[in-house]
Amino acid sequence: RKEVEQDPGPFNVPEGATVAFNCTYSNSASQSFFWYRQDCRKEPKLLMSVYSSGNEDGRFTAQLNRASQYISLLIRDSKLSDSATYLCVVTDSNTGNQFYFGTGTSLTVIP
Amino acid sequence: DTGVSQDPRHKITKRGQNVTFRCDPISEHNRLYWYRQTLGQGPEFLTYFQNEAQLEKSRLLSDRFSAERPKGSFSTLEIQRTEQGDSAMYLCASSFRDSGFGANVLTFGAGSRLTVL
Repeated sequence: RKEVEQDPGPFNVPEGATVAFNCTYSNSASQSFFWYRQDCRKEPKLLMSVYSSGNEDGRFTAQLNRASQYISLLIRDSKLSDSATYLCVVTDSNTGNQFYFGTGTSLTVIP
Repeated sequence: DTGVSQDPRHKITKRGQNVTFRCDPISEHNRLYWYRQTLGQGPEFLTYFQNEAQLEKSRLLSDRFSAERPKGSFSTLEIQRTEQGDSAMYLCASSFRDSGFGANVLTFGAGSRLTVL
């Protein structure tokens, strides 16, 4: 079983829509959680860390459900510039040194 | 500091040739990671260093692959006798991790794209 699983999409949404992505992880003792954004043929860039209490950064909200072992990302009021692949990232349980990436979820925001 | 630098950005080679990629991490970062990414997939872990010590290697890293970080600064990833299946983006990332369990966040370089003909 893969450490991290994501729906690859693609998600095609109109500008202004709200879209949510989920990601599940297999190791219940995983330590840290992140969402990275990757534009086409570019490197991944940190979008936000995910904290147990949930956290928000502008139009982006991340939540962690340890009991169900899933992480979510909510994007409100989608912009054209939000079009990208969103990667769910989980660290290992022992040291937090090993980062496991999902396959990514592709989002296209349509005018 | 301009972030994580990788060189070359693109490499086209013939099957059987050796290639070497270089990564210069953010200067104050003590951790350096190598990942491989193919189209439609997320980055796959290859190996990582803390300072000059190589602490972990993936099963993906066959004996044709070797990585070094001789002085705990830049790192090289060499692939010997390249195969067409080695065609991918090779991503380097660095982070700072102290002795506690503080945040350990990866910053990636732009990657080195390898095409094996």
